[in-house]
Amino acid sequence: EAGVTQFPSHSVIEKGQTVTLRCDPISGHDNLYWYRRVMGKEIKFLLHFVKESKQDESGMPNNRFLAERTGGTYSTLKVQPAELEDSGVYFCASRGHNEQFFGPGTRLTVL
Amino acid sequence: RKEVEQDPGPFNVPEGATVAFNCTYSNSASQSFFWYRQDCRKEPKLLMSVYSSGNEDGRFTAQLNRASQYISLLIRDSKLSDSATYLCVVIINAGNNRKLIWGLGTSLAVNP
Repeated sequence: EAGVTQFPSHSVIEKGQTVTLRCDPISGHDNLYWYRRVMGKEIKFLLHFVKESKQDESGMPNNRFLAERTGGTYSTLKVQPAELEDSGVYFCASRGHNEQFFGPGTRLTVL
Repeated sequence: RKEVEQDPGPFNVPEGATVAFNCTYSNSASQSFFWYRQDCRKEPKLLMSVYSSGNEDGRFTAQLNRASQYISLLIRDSKLSDSATYLCVVIINAGNNRKLIWGLGTSLAVNP
């Protein structure tokens, strides 16, 4: 069974540009989560989808971040415009019943 | 105060040593507890769940003390392959929301 996949694995952009991260969850998993780890800090929850609905988006830093999950399959996380403090590793996880399975993450660097 | 606190280490131990990690959490409404392992530049992976009655899986033992809001992980007979960052995770359920709160992680280096 394929695991959670994320694209791209790395992204280097300049401040002010836009970046879109993609997550493909494990097939059949209704729950999809986005997390972020900024260097030197804990992994932080960003938001949680159940199918295509946003269940909890309390962790989204500000309105420069937009997450979507049209059709309840893959999800995108767009950062527009990107700022220096957005640099970090963005993890996606999906859950069927119990355990969350994590993707390999996207390492975002904003210069 | 952080919601989940861990000593970041690093812990440097020789092969065969026993090492223990501790974690404290601040939210008494926390309901589930886990240890995750993260290798360098990789994603976190579930290591084991933590229960009040204790949970043992081979060389790994996890323990929860609800009264003290304290979680531990004991690794016996350390192997080189145990070198990683160990993340303490607490789950808080609020209605239909199930939120993972992460510790900073404890870095372990097992040396030959």
